This record gives sequence, structure tokens and C-alpha cells, in this order.
Amino acid sequence: DAGITQSPRHKVTETGTPVTLRCHQTENHRYMYWYRQDPGHGLRLIHYSYGVKDTDKGEVSDGYSVSRSKTEDFLLTLESATSSQTSVYFCAISEGRGPESNQPQHFGDGTRLSIL
Amino acid sequence: DAKTTQPPSMDCAEGRAANLPCNHSTISGNEYVYWYRQIHSQGPQYIIHGLKNNETNEMASLIITEDRKSSTLILPHATLRDTAVYYCIVRGSQGNLIFGKGTKLSVKP
Repeated sequence: DAGITQSPRHKVTETGTPVTLRCHQTENHRYMYWYRQDPGHGLRLIHYSYGVKDTDKGEVSDGYSVSRSKTEDFLLTLESATSSQTSVYFCAISEGRGPESNQPQHFGDGTRLSIL
Repeated sequence: DAKTTQPPSMDCAEGRAANLPCNHSTISGNEYVYWYRQIHSQGPQYIIHGLKNNETNEMASLIITEDRKSSTLILPHATLRDTAVYYCIVRGSQGNLIFGKGTKLSVKP
């Protein structure tokens, strides 16, 4: 299995509080992704990174920010959490030269986040 | 929206081959087809991918039709641990994987 660690694995917090999720990889892959999974929607891309300090928005980026100061770490931040952000969040990594690459993505085990 | 269409559910007897179909009639010439599976509450697990030739690895085989409008994932000897939701996927414009609803495969003893 790809060396991907997500933390925390579970979190319950209140509306309006900031939340940061961490994805750590040991594969030295250039590309990292954050997805969320909700019933009836499958997995949807939030943000992705194509290198240190290089990030871009995905399909559902509103309310989220990301940072990547090191190759191995990709952080997802909810500045002021809302109940609609209750979801399961998955990090993925891939090697390859860009979105056009055919290299598969490998996923972490997810973070289950509940916003009350 | 997902670029692929799969049956919502399938059953398979333990020890038999599981053949999971997928339609991707709008796929372009340079787009790969990826297969993943997700076992309850775990992260999606990569299985196999291909462009136009049949592919095989230690987990499964992928058969892609000559016109590339459909494919079949084959698990040669299904076990109870293969019970999962299987996703047939084509990438989006940002390189993201576009997940549809997948096929829920139930392997029965």
C-alpha cells in the first residue's frame, strides 16, 4: 500500500471553528489531492497540488483552503466550519507529470469529519 | 457528472469469476479507463487501468473493446473479501478521478 497517512481519522467539532486536516506521504510523489465523499455524490475534488507551494482549485473548493510547504505534507483547512462540510475527506497522491498523466492515484484511509 | 455507466449491483458466487461491465461511450482517444474499489468506510483502492489493450495484474484483468466504448473488469476467482463497490473511472480535465455510483458487488458463499 502507498505510504499515505491522514490525520486525524475522526473529528467532531462545532460550527464556526477552524479545522485542519493533514495528509502525509512517504512516496515522494509530486501530485496530491483532497476529495470529499458524500452520499449520492461520490468523491469530488476539493483542491490539488502539483508541487511545493503549487496548488489549484477543484470542483468544490468554496470554504476550503490548502497549503503545501513540503513535498510530503498537504494540509486542508476549513477556516470556519459549517454543517455542510460534514463529510469523509480523502487524500490521494500520484506521480507523473501532470493531470494528463496516466499514473493512478492512491488514496489514504480518510478522515471522518462531523460539524455540529 | 461521471463519464461512465455501470450496473448498480451484481452478485457472484465465491470461487467463480466476477465480470463487471462498464460503458464509456464518450471517452476520447487518449483517455485511460481506471478501476477502483471501495470496501466499506475505507479509501478507494486502485485495481487496474488501461487505454486500449487488455491489461492484467495480480488483482484483475481489464478487457477493453476495440471501439473503446466499453470495458469489463474480471476478478478471476472471487472471494468474500472482494465484496465492495467497484468504480469504473475516466479522469476529469484537472486530472481528478470522476467517481460515479459504481457497482456494488456481493460475493456469496
